[in-house]
Amino acid sequence: DQQVKQNSPSLSVQEGRISILNCDYTNSMFDYFLWYKKYPAEGPTFLISISSIKDKNEDGRFTVFLNKSAKHLSLHIVPSQPGDSAVYFCAASAGNQGGKLIFGQGTELSVKP
Amino acid sequence: DVKVTQSSRYLVKRTGEKVFLECVQDMDHENMFWYRQDPGLGLRLIYFSYDVKMKEKGDIPEGYSVSREKKERFSLILESASTNQTSMYLCASSRPSMGGYTFGSGTRLTVV
Repeated sequence: DQQVKQNSPSLSVQEGRISILNCDYTNSMFDYFLWYKKYPAEGPTFLISISSIKDKNEDGRFTVFLNKSAKHLSLHIVPSQPGDSAVYFCAASAGNQGGKLIFGQGTELSVKP
Repeated sequence: DVKVTQSSRYLVKRTGEKVFLECVQDMDHENMFWYRQDPGLGLRLIYFSYDVKMKEKGDIPEGYSVSREKKERFSLILESASTNQTSMYLCASSRPSMGGYTFGSGTRLTVV
């Protein structure tokens, strides 16, 4: 049972344009959501997070939107840069699970010059 | 610079071997986790630990065991390696109050 789903395995975007990565979840107990970025042969690095009490969080070029009623979150990258090319993982946790993160399958973003 | 260190970046082992993957963190984190990453499947939780000498099964514990004798060290053990355990293994740590993890660089294990 995949509780966190990223239905797009890959996304290709032109440099300077917006990248939108999507994530859906099924567990209504999830109350904290994160995005991680991963380059090949490296561990994931934390990008941005959002608590369920908010619907938007912004950090520079990165914005995460949360739609609790739809159980959907998205990551917007504006403007996209070639260095953003990586695999992006969505993750979620529930307060009663001691910080255990459930990850999606990942979306490979390619930003073309 | 705080970090999570995985002892090997690349490993090649033979089927049936006992394999140890080591992970050490220097942040005094209580929680430690082992995941494996496979294409199309994302990161799947193998085992985790919230304290020394304690362990909990994750979503795919079969064929694995773990050891946490010291707070900073969390070892993943493949009792008898099989080819379907060829994967990228990622260790992570966190504090209970933290929302996210710090990951190690990963160990790419190939079982032949």
